[in-house]
Amino acid sequence: EAQVTQNPRYLITVTGKKLTVTCSQNMNHEYMSWYRQDPGLGLRQIYYSMNVEVTDKGDVPEGYKVSRKEKRNFPLILESPSPNQTSLYFCASRPTGGDANTGELFFGEGSRLTVL
Amino acid sequence: AQSVTQPDIHITVSEGASLELRCNYSYGATPYLFWYVQSPGQGLQLLLKYFSGDTLVQGIKGFEAEFKRSQSSFNLRKPSVHWSDAAEYFCAVGNTGGFKTIFGAGTRLFVKA
Repeated sequence: EAQVTQNPRYLITVTGKKLTVTCSQNMNHEYMSWYRQDPGLGLRQIYYSMNVEVTDKGDVPEGYKVSRKEKRNFPLILESPSPNQTSLYFCASRPTGGDANTGELFFGEGSRLTVL
Repeated sequence: AQSVTQPDIHITVSEGASLELRCNYSYGATPYLFWYVQSPGQGLQLLLKYFSGDTLVQGIKGFEAEFKRSQSSFNLRKPSVHWSDAAEYFCAVGNTGGFKTIFGAGTRLFVKA
């Protein structure tokens, strides 16, 4: 089954304790992206990657890091989480080449993070 | 600046009634427009998209949307709402070659019996 898988789905942590949210897709998509969803603000892009070893900042990158060492994986790293990073996080992917590139994003089910 | 505005934070409709969710966008190039739906505890699922051609597009679950370039709008409609349509709906704008898709703040739909 084609899917984007995020882990963990739920996490409560404390300020300053490094954490990683993993994202993996099995559709061989080149493009992957992280979003955070906050009430009244919709989805805002944190980081995106056009392909392996190619990453760039989105609209709200502060406090986050990413890496893209393999095509299927795009982990989101919070080196020193703070309470304002409490949010619902979504990973998404899409193809970038040929007829398969319709602009449609394929989303994971989300990771709800609470930072105390 | 590129932006998407969904003027209604939430809407309540009766089951069986018609629905229209509004979306206005600001985008420098020719936009690719999308509507996504998010059911509780789920990720976002594409309802429909517009790239070019016929300005009235059909999507899944009986939804349709109309692109009006003169009004910079892409409103979502459904003739008869079902209780299972209760969810949050996001309008988005982007393009196939671009690096980002911009989302509106979302409209939460409540359906009453």
